[in-house]
Amino acid sequence: ETGVTQTPRHLVMGMTNKKSLKCEQHLGHNAMYWYKQSAKKPLELMFVYNFKEQTENNSVPSRFSPECPNSSHLFLHLHTLQPEDSALYLCASSQEREKLFFGSGTQLSVL
Amino acid sequence: DAKTTQPTSMDCAEGRAANLPCNHSTISGNEYVYWYRQIHSQGPQYIIHGLKNNETNEMASLIITEDRKSSTLILPHATLRDTAVYYCIVRPYVGNYQLIWGAGTKLIIKP
Repeated sequence: ETGVTQTPRHLVMGMTNKKSLKCEQHLGHNAMYWYKQSAKKPLELMFVYNFKEQTENNSVPSRFSPECPNSSHLFLHLHTLQPEDSALYLCASSQEREKLFFGSGTQLSVL
Repeated sequence: DAKTTQPTSMDCAEGRAANLPCNHSTISGNEYVYWYRQIHSQGPQYIIHGLKNNETNEMASLIITEDRKSSTLILPHATLRDTAVYYCIVRPYVGNYQLIWGAGTKLIIKP
């Protein structure tokens, strides 16, 4: 398998649930990203990891917790989310600051 | 705020060339121009990028003005599958990993 794979594709969760989004890249890239895309809004960068080290954190609420155990895997742990957190969550990877490769995203609905 | 300005929407007839403009009048000398597109509910897809010379690949051509303050993405023979939101982004090849995405141009290819 090649490219960037995200699971699950769709997720519905209650505000008291804990869930995790998973991203895996098979491209040998050293940087991985989490983006949030709310309806009718531009993509918002949430976190960036470079060689497993977090390099960017764009004032994301603590109910979103990223984890990057190695250069190929990235997780986004979710807990006590709010309905306004419903969005498409996109993972991407790149080699340094070169072109981004995106996964298909996880469509999250918080009830 | 995004560092680029694009028209909100454009139409193009199937089989014709689609020309998508982008203004990036504050671009710095170390910033590349990147183009991505996003088909509904999928992750963005890289199209092409350039620094100051015109570029062409199997998907599109990129024309950058001599002063680098604007560019045009050209899809030479548009098909219905090219209907998407097209994003023009400037990105430095040094420094942080931030990318600021605007609203893009909604391109509709009509039969």
